[in-house]
Amino acid sequence: GIQVEQSPPDLILQEGANSTLRCNFSDSVNNLQWFHQNPWGQLINLFYIPSGTKQNGRLSATTVATERYSLLYISSSQTTDSGVYFCAVEHSGGSNYKLTFGKGTLLTVNP
Amino acid sequence: DAMVIQNPRYQVTQFGKPVTLSCSQTLNHNVMYWYQQKSSQAPKLLFHYYDKDFNNEADTPDNFQSRRPNTSFCFLDIRSPGLGDAAMYLCATSRGWSAGGDTQYFGPGTRLTVL
Repeated sequence: GIQVEQSPPDLILQEGANSTLRCNFSDSVNNLQWFHQNPWGQLINLFYIPSGTKQNGRLSATTVATERYSLLYISSSQTTDSGVYFCAVEHSGGSNYKLTFGKGTLLTVNP
Repeated sequence: DAMVIQNPRYQVTQFGKPVTLSCSQTLNHNVMYWYQQKSSQAPKLLFHYYDKDFNNEADTPDNFQSRRPNTSFCFLDIRSPGLGDAAMYLCATSRGWSAGGDTQYFGPGTRLTVL
């Protein structure tokens, strides 16, 4: 099956700092989503981005499908950004509708 | 405006006592999913329904069953919970566009404790 690797596994920031999270995947994808899992466990959609660049407020994401990676940028981080960020992909040659998740990046933003 | 609702949010059961977790959606999506997430791990897909078509993951234990009586509701039944089944159970939905663009939306999860 497709492999999804996220880096770094852990990241500690001071409030106001910027950060970049990376997701590498081993094969072509139909679907790539970034999620934020809050401290209560809910997975919140950040971006659907199988290719290209999108921005939403302080967050932006870029996926370079031909090179099989995606980046999530967080600018001017806030304590509420803390949590786990997951990248998940749907393999083009795999089962429809099945997302394979990376292991996540645990982000801690300190005041 | 909750879109994917899970009940209960917290469930405590005893070893071996059957338990049912509930998921409902107001999005009228074709596909509904159940994931298991253990502490500090990524969500793991157990199974999904496309309409009434059930799709089981190969490594999902027989102890886990699911029902989807209509478009809006989907249930996860754990027939004989073991200590290793303690986890967060996440329900998700998507429209079911096979050509891509099929965003999954997650509910808040049910945290299951097995005593």
